[in-house]
Amino acid sequence: KNEVEQSPQNLTAQEGEFITINCSYSVGISALHWLQQHPGGGIVSLFMLSSGKKKHGRLIATINIQEKHSSLHITASHPRDSAVYICAVRPNAGGTSYGKLTFGQGTILTVHP
Amino acid sequence: SQTIHQWPATLVQPVGSPLSLECTVEGTSNPNLYWYRQAAGRGLQLLFYSVGIGQISSEVPQNLSASRPQDRQFILSSKKLLLSDSGFYLCAWSIPPSKGGPKNIQYFGAGTRLSVL
Repeated sequence: KNEVEQSPQNLTAQEGEFITINCSYSVGISALHWLQQHPGGGIVSLFMLSSGKKKHGRLIATINIQEKHSSLHITASHPRDSAVYICAVRPNAGGTSYGKLTFGQGTILTVHP
Repeated sequence: SQTIHQWPATLVQPVGSPLSLECTVEGTSNPNLYWYRQAAGRGLQLLFYSVGIGQISSEVPQNLSASRPQDRQFILSSKKLLLSDSGFYLCAWSIPPSKGGPKNIQYFGAGTRLSVL
Protein backbone atom coordinates (compact mmCIF):
# COMPACT_ATOMS: atom_id res chain seq x y z
CA LYS A 1 0.00 0.00 0.00
CA ASN A 2 1.35 3.42 -0.94
CA GLU A 3 1.99 5.92 1.82
CA VAL A 4 -0.11 8.48 -0.09
CA GLU A 5 -3.29 7.43 -1.86
CA GLN A 6 -5.38 9.69 -4.06
CA SER A 7 -8.91 9.19 -5.32
CA PRO A 8 -10.27 9.16 -7.87
CA GLN A 9 -7.46 8.41 -10.32
CA ASN A 10 -9.50 9.82 -13.19
CA LEU A 11 -12.24 12.40 -12.98
CA THR A 12 -14.39 13.82 -15.75
CA ALA A 13 -16.70 16.76 -15.13
CA GLN A 14 -18.87 19.24 -16.97
CA GLU A 15 -18.05 22.92 -16.82
CA GLY A 16 -19.51 24.50 -13.70
CA GLU A 17 -19.52 21.35 -11.57
CA PHE A 18 -18.11 21.22 -8.04
CA ILE A 19 -15.11 18.89 -7.92
CA THR A 20 -13.50 17.07 -5.01
CA ILE A 21 -10.21 15.18 -5.06
CA ASN A 22 -9.22 13.20 -1.99
CA CYS A 23 -5.85 12.32 -0.49
CA SER A 24 -5.20 9.88 2.34
CA TYR A 25 -1.83 9.19 3.89
CA SER A 26 -0.54 6.67 6.39
CA VAL A 27 2.45 8.43 7.98
CA GLY A 28 2.85 11.31 10.38
CA ILE A 29 3.45 14.48 8.44
CA SER A 30 4.57 18.02 9.00
CA ALA A 31 2.93 19.40 5.85
CA LEU A 32 0.80 18.41 2.88
CA HIS A 33 0.99 19.92 -0.59
CA TRP A 34 -1.42 20.07 -3.48
CA LEU A 35 0.29 20.44 -6.84
CA GLN A 36 -1.09 20.99 -10.33
CA GLN A 37 0.66 19.48 -13.33
CA HIS A 38 -0.27 20.96 -16.70
CA PRO A 39 -0.48 18.88 -19.90
CA GLY A 40 3.00 20.08 -20.88
CA GLY A 41 4.40 18.67 -17.64
CA GLY A 42 5.08 21.84 -15.69
CA ILE A 43 4.20 21.67 -12.02
CA VAL A 44 2.75 24.48 -9.94
CA SER A 45 2.33 24.44 -6.19
CA LEU A 46 -1.28 25.22 -5.26
CA PHE A 47 -1.35 24.87 -1.48
CA MET A 48 0.74 23.86 1.47
CA LEU A 49 -1.27 22.83 4.53
CA SER A 50 -0.41 21.78 8.03
CA SER A 51 -3.89 22.25 9.48
CA GLY A 52 -7.35 23.57 8.72
CA LYS A 53 -8.35 25.05 5.41
CA LYS A 54 -6.98 27.34 2.72
CA LYS A 55 -8.74 29.08 -0.16
CA HIS A 56 -7.34 30.62 -3.32
CA GLY A 57 -9.82 31.78 -5.90
CA ARG A 58 -12.01 28.82 -6.83
CA LEU A 59 -9.72 26.34 -5.10
CA ILE A 60 -10.19 25.18 -1.53
CA ALA A 61 -7.93 22.74 0.32
CA THR A 62 -8.72 21.14 3.67
CA ILE A 63 -6.79 18.81 5.90
CA ASN A 64 -7.77 16.66 8.88
CA ILE A 65 -4.58 15.68 10.67
CA GLN A 66 -6.30 13.20 13.01
CA GLU A 67 -7.91 11.34 10.12
CA LYS A 68 -4.82 11.69 7.88
CA HIS A 69 -6.93 13.01 5.06
CA SER A 70 -7.01 16.05 2.79
CA SER A 71 -9.37 17.22 0.08
CA LEU A 72 -8.96 19.61 -2.82
CA HIS A 73 -12.16 21.26 -4.02
CA ILE A 74 -12.72 23.22 -7.21
CA THR A 75 -15.85 25.32 -7.38
CA ALA A 76 -17.44 26.30 -10.71
CA SER A 77 -14.99 24.13 -12.65
CA HIS A 78 -13.72 25.31 -16.01
CA PRO A 79 -11.99 23.49 -18.92
CA ARG A 80 -8.75 25.30 -18.06
CA ASP A 81 -8.78 23.42 -14.74
CA SER A 82 -8.05 20.24 -16.70
CA ALA A 83 -4.74 18.96 -15.36
CA VAL A 84 -3.20 16.35 -13.11
CA TYR A 85 -3.59 17.17 -9.42
CA ILE A 86 -0.99 15.68 -7.12
CA CYS A 87 -1.01 15.33 -3.36
CA ALA A 88 2.37 15.22 -1.62
CA VAL A 89 3.28 14.92 2.04
CA ARG A 90 6.37 15.77 4.00
CA PRO A 91 6.79 12.98 6.53
CA ASN A 92 7.99 13.79 10.01
CA ALA A 93 11.69 13.04 9.83
CA GLY A 94 12.73 13.36 13.43
CA GLY A 95 15.91 15.36 13.75
CA THR A 96 16.74 15.42 10.03
CA SER A 97 14.97 17.61 7.56
CA TYR A 98 15.82 17.51 3.88
CA GLY A 99 12.46 18.64 2.57
CA LYS A 100 11.75 15.27 0.99
CA LEU A 101 8.22 14.75 -0.26
CA THR A 102 6.22 11.59 -0.80
CA PHE A 103 3.80 11.86 -3.71
CA GLY A 104 0.43 10.38 -4.50
CA GLN A 105 -0.13 8.92 -7.95
CA GLY A 106 -2.10 11.93 -9.14
CA THR A 107 -5.68 12.53 -10.27
CA ILE A 108 -6.31 13.26 -13.93
CA LEU A 109 -9.08 15.86 -14.15
CA THR A 110 -10.83 16.62 -17.43
CA VAL A 111 -13.45 19.36 -17.51
CA HIS A 112 -15.61 19.47 -20.61
CA PRO A 113 -17.26 22.69 -21.84
CA SER B 1 14.15 36.30 -7.47
CA GLN B 2 14.99 32.64 -7.70
CA THR B 3 14.64 30.70 -10.94
CA ILE B 4 15.31 27.13 -11.95
CA HIS B 5 16.42 26.10 -15.42
CA GLN B 6 16.22 22.59 -16.76
CA TRP B 7 17.27 21.39 -20.19
CA PRO B 8 16.69 20.01 -22.66
CA ALA B 9 12.88 20.09 -22.69
CA THR B 10 12.61 17.03 -24.91
CA LEU B 11 15.11 14.31 -25.66
CA VAL B 12 14.98 11.18 -27.79
CA GLN B 13 17.85 8.78 -27.26
CA PRO B 14 18.61 5.25 -28.47
CA VAL B 15 18.96 2.39 -26.02
CA GLY B 16 22.53 2.11 -24.80
CA SER B 17 23.40 5.75 -25.34
CA PRO B 18 24.57 8.04 -22.52
CA LEU B 19 22.43 10.67 -20.85
CA SER B 20 23.11 14.02 -19.27
CA LEU B 21 20.33 16.28 -18.01
CA GLU B 22 21.25 19.55 -16.40
CA CYS B 23 19.50 21.70 -13.85
CA THR B 24 20.67 25.04 -12.51
CA VAL B 25 19.18 27.33 -9.91
CA GLU B 26 19.68 31.08 -9.78
CA GLY B 27 19.08 33.58 -7.05
CA THR B 28 19.77 31.42 -4.03
CA SER B 29 22.70 29.69 -2.41
CA ASN B 30 23.13 26.22 -0.95
CA PRO B 31 19.67 25.00 -1.96
CA ASN B 32 18.51 21.43 -1.48
CA LEU B 33 18.22 19.89 -4.96
CA TYR B 34 16.09 17.00 -6.18
CA TRP B 35 15.66 14.83 -9.26
CA TYR B 36 12.27 13.20 -9.83
CA ARG B 37 10.97 10.85 -12.49
CA GLN B 38 7.40 10.47 -13.59
CA ALA B 39 6.85 7.33 -15.65
CA ALA B 40 3.78 7.09 -17.87
CA GLY B 41 0.68 6.49 -15.76
CA ARG B 42 2.59 6.70 -12.50
CA GLY B 43 3.23 9.31 -9.86
CA LEU B 44 6.36 11.27 -9.16
CA GLN B 45 9.25 9.26 -7.78
CA LEU B 46 12.17 10.85 -6.00
CA LEU B 47 15.43 9.62 -7.56
CA PHE B 48 18.14 11.71 -5.90
CA TYR B 49 18.48 14.59 -3.53
CA SER B 50 21.44 16.71 -2.52
CA VAL B 51 22.04 18.98 0.44
CA GLY B 52 25.41 20.31 -0.76
CA ILE B 53 28.21 20.12 -3.32
CA GLY B 54 29.27 16.54 -3.86
CA GLN B 55 26.60 15.23 -1.47
CA ILE B 56 24.16 12.96 -3.27
CA SER B 57 21.63 10.58 -1.76
CA SER B 58 19.95 7.97 -3.91
CA GLU B 59 16.40 6.98 -3.09
CA VAL B 60 15.97 4.00 -5.39
CA PRO B 61 18.44 1.69 -7.13
CA GLN B 62 18.51 2.36 -10.83
CA ASN B 63 20.50 2.87 -13.98
CA LEU B 64 21.00 6.56 -13.26
CA SER B 65 23.43 8.67 -11.27
CA ALA B 66 23.50 12.28 -10.12
CA SER B 67 26.23 14.77 -9.46
CA ARG B 68 26.44 18.24 -7.98
CA PRO B 69 29.69 19.77 -9.20
CA GLN B 70 28.69 23.29 -8.19
CA ASP B 71 26.40 24.69 -5.52
CA ARG B 72 23.53 25.44 -7.88
CA GLN B 73 24.07 22.80 -10.53
CA PHE B 74 22.55 19.33 -10.45
CA ILE B 75 23.20 16.79 -13.21
CA LEU B 76 21.38 13.54 -13.91
CA SER B 77 23.38 11.00 -15.91
CA SER B 78 23.42 7.53 -17.30
CA LYS B 79 26.20 5.62 -19.05
CA LYS B 80 23.78 3.38 -20.97
CA LEU B 81 20.09 4.16 -21.25
CA LEU B 82 17.45 1.46 -20.93
CA LEU B 83 13.96 1.48 -22.41
CA SER B 84 12.61 1.70 -18.87
CA ASP B 85 14.42 5.02 -18.37
CA SER B 86 11.80 6.73 -20.55
CA GLY B 87 9.73 9.23 -18.64
CA PHE B 88 9.39 12.79 -17.53
CA TYR B 89 12.26 14.06 -15.38
CA LEU B 90 11.81 16.97 -13.05
CA CYS B 91 14.42 18.93 -11.13
CA ALA B 92 13.38 20.82 -8.02
CA TRP B 93 14.95 22.93 -5.33
CA SER B 94 14.03 24.01 -1.84
CA ILE B 95 15.40 26.28 0.84
CA PRO B 96 16.89 24.19 3.65
CA PRO B 97 14.83 24.60 6.84
CA SER B 98 17.97 25.75 8.66
CA LYS B 99 18.10 28.82 6.41
CA GLY B 100 14.55 29.93 7.11
CA GLY B 101 12.18 31.13 4.43
CA PRO B 102 9.09 29.17 3.29
CA LYS B 103 9.56 25.68 4.65
CA ASN B 104 8.45 22.53 2.90
CA ILE B 105 8.06 24.23 -0.47
CA GLN B 106 9.76 22.72 -3.47
CA TYR B 107 10.07 24.69 -6.70
CA PHE B 108 10.02 22.64 -9.86
CA GLY B 109 11.70 23.09 -13.22
CA ALA B 110 9.81 22.72 -16.47
CA GLY B 111 10.90 19.11 -16.87
CA THR B 112 12.56 17.00 -19.56
CA ARG B 113 10.58 14.45 -21.51
CA LEU B 114 12.94 11.56 -22.30
CA SER B 115 12.05 8.90 -24.82
CA VAL B 116 14.40 5.95 -25.09
CA LEU B 117 13.88 4.02 -28.33
